[in-house]
This record gives sequence, structure tokens and C-alpha cells, in this order.
Amino acid sequence: KNEVEQSPQNLTAQEGEFITINCSYSVGISALHWLQQHPGGGIVSLFMLSSGKKKHGRLIATINIQEKHSSLHITASHPRDSAVYICARVTGNQFYFGTGTSLTVIP
Amino acid sequence: GEEVAQTPKHLVRGEGQKAKLYCAPIKGHSYVFWYQQVLKNEFKFLISFQNENVFDETGMPKERFSAKCLPNSPCSLEIQATKLEDSAVYFCASSPGGANVLTFGAGSRLTVL
Repeated sequence: KNEVEQSPQNLTAQEGEFITINCSYSVGISALHWLQQHPGGGIVSLFMLSSGKKKHGRLIATINIQEKHSSLHITASHPRDSAVYICARVTGNQFYFGTGTSLTVIP
Repeated sequence: GEEVAQTPKHLVRGEGQKAKLYCAPIKGHSYVFWYQQVLKNEFKFLISFQNENVFDETGMPKERFSAKCLPNSPCSLEIQATKLEDSAVYFCASSPGGANVLTFGAGSRLTVL
């Protein structure tokens, strides 16, 4: 069973806004991935987390293992951040994907 | 190589025809996953391999879909007698295994007319 819930499903923001995308799951995991799918379809791995927090440029990912929750934050959002953001939990050697959050950043 | 190579990029088939897609995983990655994405919606898991062995095939519509990962060859996903609803982008991804990096290919877009 999948049970990876993302919210919101769709998000529109003004350029410069701080953005948060949430991911919740209900079973034990060995890691959690955040992926970005560009409008052209390509998929890029942003982060892999098993605890704490990771930062890359304007992107920050956090995970709370006890609460089974992860967040992806984008600071000073830019139109080029417009994409679908997907979280995926890793349990065993299998990946289970959330349904994605479609982000549009308006100039 | 350092990328997951999928071919072809685009494939058009008439309903009822066969379609075959290929995926070369990153060298050293022992896990290969196939996913189907219809109209930019969620990823539907099809099948995974650990080396040449099927690891999990719970997502495969078995009557028309088959897949292989043979040594020294690209992995393949074959659809016999395609249907309109098979139109999708098929993504292949590979991983060294466990809680580790998952690298996606660029996808193969199948259009069934």
C-alpha cells in the first residue's frame, strides 16, 4: 500500500515568496526522496533524507522520522522553480511515490 | 555510464501493435524500476529488477506487459497488442539499492493511435 500523501496538490505563488510542500507517510522508511519534474518531463533528484535537514541553494528539506513527515521549502521562489515536486519513501528496496505538488511561480 | 539511458524517446504505435522500450541503467546500479506516467499524473509502478531477477512485479498488467533485464544488455519493457490506454511516458530508474540515490531516465513517450 502506498500511503504517501502530499499537500498541497497545486500551489501558485508570487516570485519571491517562501514555499512549503508537505509529505506524510504512514509506514517505516529507510529514506525519503524529493524529486523535481520539469515541465519538459525530466526528473531530477533534489534530496535524499533519512534524518534532520538538508540544504541546497534555495531549497531546504526536513524530515521528522517520529512524526513521519517531511517538508520541502523553497526560499525566494523564482519562476524557474515552476515544476512538479514529488516525494518518495524508500522501504526496503522499493520506492513509493506521492502524487506530486504542481508549483507555479508567477513573476 | 552516469546516466540512465532510455530509448526510444518517442514511439507511436497503432492499437494492437507491439511496443518495446529499452533502458540502460547506470553501471553498478543493481536495481532497475519501470514506472508509467499518464498525462503528468502520478507514477504507477510496473516492475523492478535486482540485477537480472524480477524483484517486484506487482504493478505489471501481466497479460500484455513483459520485461527483462539480461546480463550485458539493456533492460526492456514490451507491450504486446497495445491499447489506447497504454499511451503514457514510461520512466526507467536505477539505484544501487537500499536507501540510496534513485536516478531516472528521460522517459520514453508511447502514443497508441
